[in-house]
Amino acid sequence: ETGVTQSPTHLIKTRGQQVTLRCSSQSGHNTVSWYQQALGQGPQFIFQYYREEENGRGNFPPRFSGLQFPNYSSELNVNALELDDSALYLCASSGSSGGAYEQYFGPGTRLTVT
Amino acid sequence: GNSVTQMEGPVTLSEEAFLTINCTYTATGYPSLFWYVQYPGEGLQLLLKATKADDKGSNKGFEATYRKETTSFHLEKGSVQVSDSAVYFCALKGTGGYNKLIFGAGTRLAVHP
Repeated sequence: ETGVTQSPTHLIKTRGQQVTLRCSSQSGHNTVSWYQQALGQGPQFIFQYYREEENGRGNFPPRFSGLQFPNYSSELNVNALELDDSALYLCASSGSSGGAYEQYFGPGTRLTVT
Repeated sequence: GNSVTQMEGPVTLSEEAFLTINCTYTATGYPSLFWYVQYPGEGLQLLLKATKADDKGSNKGFEATYRKETTSFHLEKGSVQVSDSAVYFCALKGTGGYNKLIFGAGTRLAVHP
């Protein structure tokens, strides 16, 4: 069974640029959630995709957007990057969008905005 | 809204010492509660969970009991090892709705030989 994978591992971007982060969900999982973890803090929920539709969103501006594909992999896009966007971005997959289904996390993408 | 509060770290212990990391929560209804662990340079791993009051989650010698009356889910281990050094996150999922986790700020544990 393949776990959750994310790419790239590390990324350096300049303020104002755009970035796309990718996530492959665990086999059999139809739900993907994205979290932002700033240095020294707990992860903050960005949004969740269930069967290719966004079905929940945290307190993040519209320049954070996403996609989920028919194979349930997902992308996180961030436009007009700001210095405060520097963080570890975590993707998590689960077998359902509801209930207490366990979320399996990937290793994350470390984004640095200069 | 829902929230999680953890004791601040770092927590520094000698090997074989007893560990407690406090976690309290604010939520309506009956949330599900989780402890995740993050080793250096890695993502999060689920350590244990409890989905209803008085449930005890346990894994790898760690335990936590869901206490509705005190809105707490404290993490304990009887004898820590150097390999337990990591950051521990308490998290909750509220009742109903989609599977969104709300995390505490994390507690760093350092265990010395």
